[in-house]
Amino acid sequence: AAGVIQSPRHLIKEKRETATLKCYPIPRHDTVYWYQQGPGQDPQFLISFYEKMQSDKGSIPDRFSAQQFSDYHSELNMSSLELGDSALYFCASSPVVGGTEAFFGQGTRLTVV
Amino acid sequence: LAKTTQPISMDSYEGQEVNITCSHNNIATNDYITWYQQFPSQGPRFIIQGYKTKVTNEVASLFIPADRKSSTLSLPRVSLSDTAVYYCLVEDDKIIFGKGTRLHILP
Repeated sequence: AAGVIQSPRHLIKEKRETATLKCYPIPRHDTVYWYQQGPGQDPQFLISFYEKMQSDKGSIPDRFSAQQFSDYHSELNMSSLELGDSALYFCASSPVVGGTEAFFGQGTRLTVV
Repeated sequence: LAKTTQPISMDSYEGQEVNITCSHNNIATNDYITWYQQFPSQGPRFIIQGYKTKVTNEVASLFIPADRKSSTLSLPRVSLSDTAVYYCLVEDDKIIFGKGTRLHILP
């Protein structure tokens, strides 16, 4: 069965650079979530989308933005990268808006040097 | 204020039944109790969800008392591959992770 696809799997950027992470949800899943997980930390909710509209916002820095496109894939754009942005970024999708069961991708490991 | 409280860590042995209890004294009427499992460097994986009483699937059982102020995830006959972090979530429309329980299975 198709799963949530994230790309790239690994990304190395320098401070102050920009990064774009992509997420392709499971087909017919119209809700997408983004999470950030620092080393030894628990996943922190960043933002979610339903039907291409932002549905909820968590602890997402102002330097980050995200959107969901007409084909339901989503992109997380991160600017002015800081060392502290180094983390695993997970995307999840759900067929139900406002539900608590979601399917997570394998994550993108971002390293800022 | 955290919505759930779980043990920080637990150790058990292969073949044992493991019970992880989660406290959620302020659970709301519309909240569901959901458990996720996360292996190192992998995304969390949904295990089980319930509202009240007992729910069982091929992976685990979830016991919820009548007052719903706590819940217990039961993993039958664990193996080394069950070593992971287990998260208890209490939400009605969000997926917010708190502090999970680091379960370590010993041979």
